[in-house]
Amino acid sequence: AQTVTQSQPEMSVQEAETVTLSCTYDTSESDYYLFWYKQPPSRQMILVIRQEAYKQQNATENRFSVNFQKAAKSFSLKISDSQLGDAAMYFCAYSPFLSSAGGTSYGKLTFGQGTILTVHP
Amino acid sequence: ETGVTQTPRHLVMGMTNKKSLKCEQHLGHNAMYWYKQSAKKPLELMFVYNFKEQTENNSVPSRFSPECPNSSHLFLHLHTLQPEDSALYLCASSHPDSSGSGANVLTFGAGSRLTVL
Repeated sequence: AQTVTQSQPEMSVQEAETVTLSCTYDTSESDYYLFWYKQPPSRQMILVIRQEAYKQQNATENRFSVNFQKAAKSFSLKISDSQLGDAAMYFCAYSPFLSSAGGTSYGKLTFGQGTILTVHP
Repeated sequence: ETGVTQTPRHLVMGMTNKKSLKCEQHLGHNAMYWYKQSAKKPLELMFVYNFKEQTENNSVPSRFSPECPNSSHLFLHLHTLQPEDSALYLCASSHPDSSGSGANVLTFGAGSRLTVL
C-alpha cells in the first residue's frame, strides 16, 4: 500500500520570504502522480500543484514549485514570496496512474497528515 | 466555490439520530468520493462512486450508508453513530484529464462538520 508522510506538523514563514514543506512517500509503482493541496480556514481543499512521476522536470505554478526526487521518493513544495493568503493546511497526496477502460475510471488519493503553514506579517 | 456543494455545513446529532449529508456537483464529473478528515489524521477515503456504481468501500462501518442516485449527487446516510465519528466529511468529484495524461484531479467541496454527542 502507498503511504505519504509529512514530517512537519507546523511551519511558519515571514511575509515575502520563502518556505519549503516536506513530503515523502512510498510506492512500488513507477508511474503515478503527486499533488499538493491547500486547505484554508474556509475548509475548501484547493489544488496547488501536481507532478507526473514520468516527468523529470519539476512542476511550477507561479510562486509555487516542487522539488521532485523520484529515487528518494521525496516531493517538497516551495512557496516563494509568501503572502498572508498562503496561510493554510497543506496536504501532500499520491495517486496511482489512472487507467481508463471503457470510460470507467477514477483515481484514489492517499494523503499525508498535513502541515499547518502560518504566515507572519 | 469550486463547483462541489455540500450541505449541511454543520451538523450536530445524537447517537440514536438518523441524518444525511448531501453533495452535489454540476461539473460533468463521473466519479464522486467521500473522505473523512479527523484531527491529526490523514484524510481517509471512505467510498468511491464511478458512473453511479460503488467501486470502493474502504472498510467503512455499516452505520455509514452511501447513496449515489446519479452522477451529480452523492449522499451519506448516517445512523447510530459514535462520538468518534465526529469529523469533517469531504465530498469530491473528478473526471479524467482531458489531455489524456492519465491524471485524475479531484475537486473538493467545503465539507460537512459533523459532531456526534
